[in-house]
Amino acid sequence: EIVLTQSPGTLSLSPGERATLSCRASQSISSSYLAWFQQKRGQAPRLLIYGASSRATGIPDRFSGSGSGTDFTLTISRLEPEDFALYYCQQYGTSPWTFGQGTKVEI
Amino acid sequence: EVQLLESGGGLGQPGGSLRLSCAASGFTFRGYAMTWVRQAPGKGLEWVSTISKSADSTYYADSVKDRFTISRDNSRNTLFLQVNSLRVEDTAVYYCAKLMGFCGNTGCPNGWYIDYWGQGILVTVSS
Repeated sequence: EIVLTQSPGTLSLSPGERATLSCRASQSISSSYLAWFQQKRGQAPRLLIYGASSRATGIPDRFSGSGSGTDFTLTISRLEPEDFALYYCQQYGTSPWTFGQGTKVEI
Repeated sequence: EVQLLESGGGLGQPGGSLRLSCAASGFTFRGYAMTWVRQAPGKGLEWVSTISKSADSTYYADSVKDRFTISRDNSRNTLFLQVNSLRVEDTAVYYCAKLMGFCGNTGCPNGWYIDYWGQGILVTVSS
């Protein structure tokens, strides 16, 4: 199975700063089938990005995704207070689908 | 508005069974594949199972294969997960989720992605 490794484990930033989250795959992800989700404490995850770089409906344009092959990045251009949360990447190009272990963005 | 509401969780004994349900609304249920994902307490996300829109194809993680069965009733807009031979390590919040996209060149379910999640239902396996 494809192992996704997210880094860093925790990102300590302030509102207004730029956040860069990394997701590295153990093998190339087919057709850039990579998604990013945000999860807040006690809530279900929310889709942010699919296809490595396409924003989901209703997601602000401060969220952007990039990358291909084995290296992917989620960038939050200017952190808002509501962006402090846990972020997961997921590949859906090869069965079994797998998730990264998460990156916590904290103040 | 897409809504997914899970039910049927609770306490199960090792070796026992539970049946999870997910009532869907706000979209044409029969038009979309669906999936279950779980999250053990304090842990990350784990894909469990996926079913095609017409229920003619099902897919399972190795950890649940031969113990869990995914199914759907398109007339009732409901997704199910029958969980048998429960293990302590099955303890988790189980989320149902709606899928979007098209089958990739490596075949389904690859290419489908999750666009909406339910709120989740806790399954605790303990004696």
